[in-house]
Amino acid sequence: GESVGLHLPTLSVQEGDNSIINCAYSNSASDYFIWYKQESGKGPQFIIDIRSNMDKRQGQRVTVLLNKTVKHLSLQIAATQPGDSAVYFCAENHSTASFGNEKLTFGTGTRLTIIP
Amino acid sequence: GAVVSQHPSRVICKSGTSVKIECRSLDFQATTMFWYRQFPKQSLMLMATSNEGSKATYEQGVEKDKFLINHASLTLSTLTVTSAHPEDSSFYICSARRAGTTYNEQFFGPGTRLTVL
Repeated sequence: GESVGLHLPTLSVQEGDNSIINCAYSNSASDYFIWYKQESGKGPQFIIDIRSNMDKRQGQRVTVLLNKTVKHLSLQIAATQPGDSAVYFCAENHSTASFGNEKLTFGTGTRLTIIP
Repeated sequence: GAVVSQHPSRVICKSGTSVKIECRSLDFQATTMFWYRQFPKQSLMLMATSNEGSKATYEQGVEKDKFLINHASLTLSTLTVTSAHPEDSSFYICSARRAGTTYNEQFFGPGTRLTVL
């Protein structure tokens, strides 16, 4: 079946260092990808997105890379801070002919811990 | 902008009772809202897609008669868990897609923790 998965379930990074969270997806027809951050007991928070016609997009301290050849997505967080500690999910959008049938499929998540 | 609220944030109920959860887009109109369920230390699983003014589309394995969804306006969708049982205990999260957007950018609510005794 179709799935979105992460290579590493947990990641610990020293404060100030850069972190990279990886995600593999299986649906080559996916046209839109999003990274979300989820803190304990809260809903997912949008971090950054990328469309399938791009291979890189940068935000404030975050960069998303998309490699469609190997169906791989990554999130880079620069100069990590304690507030970056959370679970990070990638999500891919399945676009169908019918507008109303678009949906996101979430990866399994990676817990990022920033070590002071 | 793009704020989504949920109410209640936490609810405890007895087995066999029904619970209603509200999802509101506060500063935008949402033609489509989504309901997810998340078990501890797991990912979000889509339960259903709700389009304003029409019946919800349920994912495979989700009982539509147990999880009633109503999307009566462009800013409100409700999920009612009927005859709740302990196995329905979970974190329920809604999201909303802004009307007129090209891509499926979803804004999430803060979630509702349901505990069924």
